[in-house]
This record gives sequence, C-alpha cells and structure tokens, in this order.
Amino acid sequence: EIVLTQSPGTLSLSPGERATLSCRASQSVSSSYLAWYQQKPGQAPRLLIYGASSRATGIPDRFSGSGSGTDFTLTISRLEPEDFAVYYCQQYGSSPVTFGQGTKVEIK
Amino acid sequence: EVQLVESGGGLVQPGRSLRLSCAASGFTFDDYAMHWVRQAPGKGLEWVSGISWNSGSIGYADSVKGRFTISRDNAKNSLYLQMNSLRAEDTALYYCAKAYYGSGSYLVGFDYWGQGTLVTVSS
Repeated sequence: EIVLTQSPGTLSLSPGERATLSCRASQSVSSSYLAWYQQKPGQAPRLLIYGASSRATGIPDRFSGSGSGTDFTLTISRLEPEDFAVYYCQQYGSSPVTFGQGTKVEIK
Repeated sequence: EVQLVESGGGLVQPGRSLRLSCAASGFTFDDYAMHWVRQAPGKGLEWVSGISWNSGSIGYADSVKGRFTISRDNAKNSLYLQMNSLRAEDTALYYCAKAYYGSGSYLVGFDYWGQGTLVTVSS
C-alpha cells in the first residue's frame, strides 16, 4: 500500500498569499496518477488536479499541481476567501487507492 | 448535470448488515468506473472500494476486504455496497464517486461525488 504523507498539517495564511502544500508518497506513484481534492465543511470533496498537474474542469488557474515519483506539490498562487478549506492528495495508480491525511488551509 | 444520490444508511448494530445504493444520472453510467469512499466523523477520506465499468475489475481496502461487496447494475444506473459484519469503526459518511474518465480499470481519480449517506454502527 502506498502511504501518502501531507505537510504541513495546518497552513495559516492571509488572503492574497501563496500556499504551497506537499504530498510525499512512500513509493513511486505510477504514471503520476496523483490527484488533489478540496473539501469544505459539510460538503463533498471537489477534484482540483489529476495526473499530478492537470486542472479539472472549471478549476481556476491559481491552482497548480506539480511533481512526479514520490514528491508532489499543490500551489495556490493567491489565496481567495473561498480557498480556505482542507486539501487531500490521492494516488490512484495502484490498489488500494489511498489518500493523504489532509492539509487544512486556515485564515491567519 | 451529473448527479449521484446515495441512500441506505442508518443506525445498525455491530455484526449486522446494510446495503448502500447510489443512483446516478446525467452521464453514461456504463462508461465509467465507480467508487465508494468514506469519512468518519471529523476524520479524513478513506477509499473503500472501486469497480470498473463492466464489473471486470474490482478492488477493496484491506479494512473491508471479505466483509464488503461492491456491485453495479448498468441497466439501472446504480452502484451498490453490501456491508456485512459491521463494526463500530465502519461508522462514517459513505460517498459514491464517479471516475473522471472511462477506463478498463477502476484505478482512476474521481470527478463527481454524491453528498453521502451516514452509517452508524452502535449497540
């Protein structure tokens, strides 16, 4: 099983600042099958990034994904008020599919 | 518009069974793999199970293997999760999720999620 470790656990930032979220895998993720999701309280998760760097439909270009192998990054270039949420990475290259434990981006 | 509507959750005693359903609409159901993902109260996301478009490829998390069975009925645009021998640690909100592209495997990320159905296992 591929274990995904996200850091930091919580990120305290102000609107307009840049957010950098990390996801490290215990072994290489096949074909960069790595996704990022955003979840707000009381809502289902929303797909942001798939294939490590491709934005999902309707996702603003302030969200970007990068990385390969075992190290992946989600960057939010300028935080908007609606971006404060919990973010999860997920690998779907091998079974079982696994998620990271999440990074909470909170308002400073 | 893609819609995924879960049902079948509720309060159940440990050791008993429950069957969850997910009704899909707004897309060609039999083109896509489907998944179940759960989230315990206040916790993160845990993948439970996935099934390919034709049920030819199926996977389970170790925590549910041998107790849960995923299935689908493409004629009814429906996904199911049969949960047996339920434990307190199975208490969670169970989401149905759709694969973001058509593939022969269930190993695909998810682009649409339902709102979930709550399963509580307690005596």
